[in-house]
Parts: sequence; structure tokens; C-alpha cells
Amino acid sequence: NAGVTQTPKFRVLKTGQSMTLLCAQDMNHEYMYWYRQDPGMGLRLIHYSVGEGTTAKGEVPDGYNVSRLKKQNFLLGLESAAPSQTSVYFCASTGTGQETQYFGPGTRLLVL
Amino acid sequence: TQLLEQSPQFLSIQEGENLTVYCNSSSVFSSLQWYRQEPGEGPVLLVTVVTGGEVKKLKRLTFQFGDARKDSSLHITAAQPGDTGLYLCAGARSSYKLIFGSGTRLLVRP
Repeated sequence: NAGVTQTPKFRVLKTGQSMTLLCAQDMNHEYMYWYRQDPGMGLRLIHYSVGEGTTAKGEVPDGYNVSRLKKQNFLLGLESAAPSQTSVYFCASTGTGQETQYFGPGTRLLVL
Repeated sequence: TQLLEQSPQFLSIQEGENLTVYCNSSSVFSSLQWYRQEPGEGPVLLVTVVTGGEVKKLKRLTFQFGDARKDSSLHITAAQPGDTGLYLCAGARSSYKLIFGSGTRLLVRP
């Protein structure tokens, strides 16, 4: 039981490049989330999903897209990376009726 | 707009000292959670408080939820170097979404 895993762990991009961050969970959770964490800002919700095939915008969705084609996977895409998207990205999941969110180890992204 | 304000932002204390971290909001939450995050890892849940006025103890950690369910505190007694980390409070506005505070970074020096 791996919990929540994220790939890659670290990535460097040039401005304008695109990339996809992958999150996978093996707990059969309905809800999945993408957050970004910046110094002094805590965790801010980018997008979330309440089930397979559904997605919704969070607090800071601009510049990001997501997809939840399979229940266990939640993908975060950056179509044209900007330096302002330099951050640590965390994926989390939770089950129906639960409030505890289980977090992955994070992806550190640097956009030059 | 930060709905949950944590204070202090940073705390450096000597091993054995006591400390309190505060989490304040003008909004009411159905529950409030405290997470601890170590460098290079994701946050891990410490406790959830649900009822106004509720107090929960986890070994040397004491968590309290305000009577009006708008604020919370975390008190650590006799801090140890292993308590070092980032402490995050998070309020639940619905059954599946959390609002996170800005965090308190704690350093306990041996």
C-alpha cells in the first residue's frame, strides 16, 4: 500500500515549456487535490476532483489544467510554464465521509 | 485572502521549553485539523477537532478548538528536537475541501 505517489520529484523547466505532473493513489479515494506551496503562503488549492471524470477549480487555477480519467490518477498540466509557477506541488486524496487528506511527497518545480 | 492566520510564523526555542501556536479566522469551520510537515515530505495529519471548546491531547501536544469554531491553538509541552517542523492548521468548509493556514515553522534546538 503505497498511499499517494507523485512523479517526478523534481523538474526544471524553461519559460514556455509544458509538462504534466502525475499523482496516483491506491486507497480507492473519491476525492483528489492539487496544491501548491510557497514560502509564507501555506497550501493553496489549484484544482480538485470529486470523482472519476470530474474536475473543479480551486483557489489558484490559472495557468493549470487537470484531468481525472481514472479514479486512481490525477494529472496536473502546465501548458506554458512561467517563473511564477516555481513552487512545490502536492497532491492529496481523501475518501467519502473522511476529512483527513493524505498527501504525496511533493514535486519541486523550478521555472527559469 | 488568507482566511486562516497562523501565529507566530516562525519559532525557535530551546529543548524543554513550552510553546503555543495560534490559528485564527473570522469564519466558522465545521472542523479544524492540524498537520505537521517535515522537510521534503507532505503534511501528515496530527488531529481533527470538531466540537466548539473541544480539547484533544496527543502525548505532549494539546489541541483546542475555540468555542465559536473560528480559532484553534496547539500547545507543546517540553518541546523536543523531534518536534521540529512546519505546523499547518486547516479548516473544513465542506466535507471534502480544506482551507490551510500559512503555517508556523518550529525549530527546537538541542
